[in-house]
Amino acid sequence: EIVLTQSPGTLSLSPGERATLSCRASQSVSSSYLAWYQQKPGQAPRLLIYGAFSRATGIPDRFSGSGSGTDFTLTISRLEPEDFAVYYCQQYGSSTGTFGPGTKVDIK
Amino acid sequence: QVQLVQSGAEVRKPGASVKVSCKASGYTFTSYYMHWVRQAPGQGLEWMGILNPSGGSTSYAQKFQGRVTMTRDTSTSTVYMELSSLTSEDTAVYYCARDRDGGTLDIWGLGTMVTVSS
Repeated sequence: EIVLTQSPGTLSLSPGERATLSCRASQSVSSSYLAWYQQKPGQAPRLLIYGAFSRATGIPDRFSGSGSGTDFTLTISRLEPEDFAVYYCQQYGSSTGTFGPGTKVDIK
Repeated sequence: QVQLVQSGAEVRKPGASVKVSCKASGYTFTSYYMHWVRQAPGQGLEWMGILNPSGGSTSYAQKFQGRVTMTRDTSTSTVYMELSSLTSEDTAVYYCARDRDGGTLDIWGLGTMVTVSS
């Protein structure tokens, strides 16, 4: 089973700042099967990025994904108040999926 | 619009089973795989398994093998997740989520809270 590790655990930033979130896999992940989700308290997760790079429908272009192999990154170029949430990376391969433990982005 | 409507909250005693439903609408039910994901209180997301609504084939996370069963009813566009031998550690919100392609979960249900308590 592929294990995903996310860092940092918590990121304290101010609105307007840039957020860089890391997701590292225990073995190589196909970029096609790497996604990022945002979750706010009391809500279901929302798909942000799929295929490592592609923004889901309706996702603002301040969100971008990059990376390959075992290292992937989610970047939020300028934090808006509604972006403070928990972010999860997820991979799917060999009929098995796993999520990272999440990175909480909170207001500094 | 595309949506997944899940059944209501459940309370079970340890050792019992629970069956959660997820009714799909707004798209061709048999064209998209369905995943189940759970989230314990204050914890992260945990992938449980995947179901092919077309043929009914499944793949489960090793952790849940032997204890989880995912099924579907194509006549009502509904998928089900049954978890047996419940313990307090199974207390969680259970989500169904549609697979747009390659394991990407694009549409999520609102979740079903399952509480296991004596």
